[in-house]
Amino acid sequence: AQSVTQLGSHVSVSEGALVLLRCNYSSSVPPYLFWYVQYPNQGLQLLLKYTTGATLVKGINGFEAEFKKSETSFHLTKPSAHMSDATEYFCAVRRDSNYQLIWGAGTKLIIKP
Amino acid sequence: GAVVSQHPSWVICKSGTSVKIECRSLDFQATTMFWYRQFPKQSLMLMATSNEGSKATYEQGVEKDKFLINHASLTLSTLTVTSAHPEDSSFYICSAPSTGQETQYFGPGTRLLVL
Repeated sequence: AQSVTQLGSHVSVSEGALVLLRCNYSSSVPPYLFWYVQYPNQGLQLLLKYTTGATLVKGINGFEAEFKKSETSFHLTKPSAHMSDATEYFCAVRRDSNYQLIWGAGTKLIIKP
Repeated sequence: GAVVSQHPSWVICKSGTSVKIECRSLDFQATTMFWYRQFPKQSLMLMATSNEGSKATYEQGVEKDKFLINHASLTLSTLTVTSAHPEDSSFYICSAPSTGQETQYFGPGTRLLVL
C-alpha cells in the first residue's frame, strides 16, 4: 500500500534561513510525487512535482525538491525563507491504480522575523 | 496551469436545508473529479470520485445519500449536501486531473457553515 509521511507538523525557521520540509513515501511502483501549498481558506496550489526524469525538481517561489529513491524521500527545500512562505504544505503521492492522491498530514511552516 | 473553479466560495445555511456546490474545469475537460473535505488544521479527506456519465465512487464511511454527486458534463461536477446539519460544516475542495492524468488541479474551496 502507498503512504506518505511528513515529519513534523510544525517547522519553524528564521527569515532568510534554509527551509527543509520532510516527506517520505512508500510505494511499490515508481511514484509520482507532489508538493502542494495551501494558504488560509484557499484551495491547494501545486508547488512542484516529480514524475520521471531529473530527480531534482524546481518549483514556484524558489522551492525545489529532490527525489531520492534509496531513501524513499521527497524533501522540500528553499535556500532562504521569506515571511510570505509561512503557510501549510502538503506532500502527496499519486495512487497508481486510479490517479487519486494519497496525502501527508501537512506541515505548517512558521517564519520567525 | 489548468484552472478549476468552485461556486460558491462560502455559504451559510439553516439546518435541514440542502446546499449545492459546483466544481468546474475552465480550460480543460475532466472525466474524473475528486471531492475532498478538510477539517481545521487537518489534511484533506477524500470523499468521493466523480465520474462523468456514471455513478460516483464513494470512500468508505461517506454517506452517498447525504453527499450527492453529479458529473453531468466534462467540465462540471456538483456536490449536494442534503439535509445539512451543523456537523457538515467544513471546507469542501474539488480537484480535477490534467488531461494526461499526471497532475491534479484544485478549486479554491467552499466554506460551508450550517447553523
